[in-house]
Amino acid sequence: SAVISQKPSRDICQRGTSLTIQCQVDSQVTMMFWYRQQPGQSLTLIATANQGSEATYESGFVIDKFPISRPNLTFSTLTVSNMSPEDSSIYLCSVGKARREEDGYTFGSGTRLTVV
Amino acid sequence: DQQVKQNSPSLSVQEGRISILNCDYTNSMFDYFLWYKKYPAEGPTFLISISSIKDKNEDGRFTVFLNKSAKHLSLHIVPSQPGDSAVYFCAATLSADRGSTLGRLYFGRGTQLTVWP
Repeated sequence: SAVISQKPSRDICQRGTSLTIQCQVDSQVTMMFWYRQQPGQSLTLIATANQGSEATYESGFVIDKFPISRPNLTFSTLTVSNMSPEDSSIYLCSVGKARREEDGYTFGSGTRLTVV
Repeated sequence: DQQVKQNSPSLSVQEGRISILNCDYTNSMFDYFLWYKKYPAEGPTFLISISSIKDKNEDGRFTVFLNKSAKHLSLHIVPSQPGDSAVYFCAATLSADRGSTLGRLYFGRGTQLTVWP
């Protein structure tokens, strides 16, 4: 299965600022997914990022707040813009692998964001 | 609307005994289910999965059971070990989302398993 390097692992940010989270995959993947886990909640999909096209956002998430880049098949970034304390969460990127469902979906180690 | 539910936020089990983690889902179109384990400060790690055409899948100490009529699945860990202490997430996906590649996952809120000596 793929190996994902995600950074930063954690950050404390001032409200009103922005943070960009990076995910680097050790192999080419078609789709990358960005999730958010708010305290005590499940992982919620923010958007799906395909290379060379606009990301597809889930209901409740918008591009202005969570712009995503996918410049190639091994890299993606998620920016949390104009942050407020409600954005304090763990953000995770994920990839899947075609025809290897038994490998499951691989996740990055997560970015723990605290907005003060 | 939570399509995958884990109604027990925590479970405490003695080492050596069986741990049973439960998961319910509402979407009958889900056809692939996964369990993930998550330690603090780490991302979820894939544990075991089951396709909807099966009712049981076993991998070492871990067995997942699927009851489609009840829209229920469970993860059995036997024997439980202190290193199993983690948050366990149940997740589901749809064939239509997968196509030729794996698609999005729908997660439950997780169950914190504590295995004590």
